[in-house]
Amino acid sequence: AQKVTQAQTEISVVEKEDVTLDCVYETRDTTYYLFWYKQPPSGELVFLIRRNSFDEQNEISGRYSWNFQKSTSSFNFTITASQVVDSAVYFCALSSNTGKLIFGQGTTLQVKP
Amino acid sequence: ETGVTQTPRHLVMGMTNKKSLKCEQHLGHNAMYWYKQSAKKPLELMFVYNFKEQTENNSVPSRFSPECPNSSHLFLHLHTLQPEDSALYLCASSPPARSGLAVEQYFGPGTRLTVT
Repeated sequence: AQKVTQAQTEISVVEKEDVTLDCVYETRDTTYYLFWYKQPPSGELVFLIRRNSFDEQNEISGRYSWNFQKSTSSFNFTITASQVVDSAVYFCALSSNTGKLIFGQGTTLQVKP
Repeated sequence: ETGVTQTPRHLVMGMTNKKSLKCEQHLGHNAMYWYKQSAKKPLELMFVYNFKEQTENNSVPSRFSPECPNSSHLFLHLHTLQPEDSALYLCASSPPARSGLAVEQYFGPGTRLTVT
């Protein structure tokens, strides 16, 4: 069975703090993709990153970084020096070999000024 | 701008009404999706279309009827809905899968539906 778990339902931080959103996945596939999406209050899910299961290199994009560890089946997302505009719901997702994306339950991040 | 538009953004309808949601993508993708997002619940995939053909119906009640006239347009026709159908309905599109694996989907802003 394929599954994505985001154990943190809600996180609240103060602006400029670093914050890590956890994502743990389950799959028997040897080839798969992992994704992160951001859903601001406006509602639209914004694609942030796709990661190939064969590429465990960490990735950094500005204040965002992703840590992919196959040994622990985790694909965690860190925001450095958080800002109020980072407040949103963040979803982790896993590709399935049936052509569907398996989404986690989402983590609501609130960044307070 | 994401390249996926949805209209209307907000819709209030009675249980006896008939309405339609529209989605249009300008990304040249071949796959389109309808999702339902209810409060405190994960995203629920409703329908999938590949090259205008429906390839997935996730046990969705018949009061929701999708239509995909071409690869750029997707509709969701609604009739005799129930209050529990109130939710955010999201449309998405994506390029073809790679070696059978789903690739990233691009979402529209959603239609906030309230059934009274």
